[in-house]
Amino acid sequence: AQSVTQPDIHITVSEGASLELRCNYSYGATPYLFWYVQSPGQGLQLLLKYFSGDTLVQGIKGFEAEFKRSQSSFNLRKPSVHWSDAAEYFCAVGINAGGTSYGKLTFGQGTILTVHP
Amino acid sequence: EAQVTQNPRYLITVTGKKLTVTCSQNMNHEYMSWYRQDPGLGLRQIYYSMNVEVTDKGDVPEGYKVSRKEKRNFPLILESPSPNQTSLYFCASSPVTGLYEQYFGPGTRLTVT
Repeated sequence: AQSVTQPDIHITVSEGASLELRCNYSYGATPYLFWYVQSPGQGLQLLLKYFSGDTLVQGIKGFEAEFKRSQSSFNLRKPSVHWSDAAEYFCAVGINAGGTSYGKLTFGQGTILTVHP
Repeated sequence: EAQVTQNPRYLITVTGKKLTVTCSQNMNHEYMSWYRQDPGLGLRQIYYSMNVEVTDKGDVPEGYKVSRKEKRNFPLILESPSPNQTSLYFCASSPVTGLYEQYFGPGTRLTVT
């Protein structure tokens, strides 16, 4: 079964600083990888996704993520954080094993981002 | 407006009293899913549905039931709720499968005493 680990429960950065949120996955084949963001009291919104091809993926709100197969990682980055980026971020992995497996999605534990002015 | 709606948004109930949380989407999406969110555990998938009458278990299906009789609706049923089902529940939908962007509802906070 696939699994996702986000090693950092809580990260604090200053506004304007760069950001990297870590995500490691466990899955035998090439996974489908996602980053979602959850603002306080809200549902989740997709930031970006990786299916195949270029391993550096651009998303919304200036975020990007890089798929590294050798490290089983899909870290999220942003060069300059804004106060509005404060939220909880979730990495997720989907599997592609045929049949109804396309519906199964496993999320990490989440990383809470605090932004200091 | 394209959206996923859930009702109720907040619910306090007692152990063993059957309840249903409704989920409806107006985007003609084929895929729908239920998740529960607990502190430190992230989101865990309960059940998902690839289309009408096609449902499958996620990672934590015990104690829950679902049905998909219409494309737009995907209710979550707790036949005999227990305190360990106290959680924040999200419904989501997607045009094709869970491997595409999922659109999430606003959440239902359930407390079982």
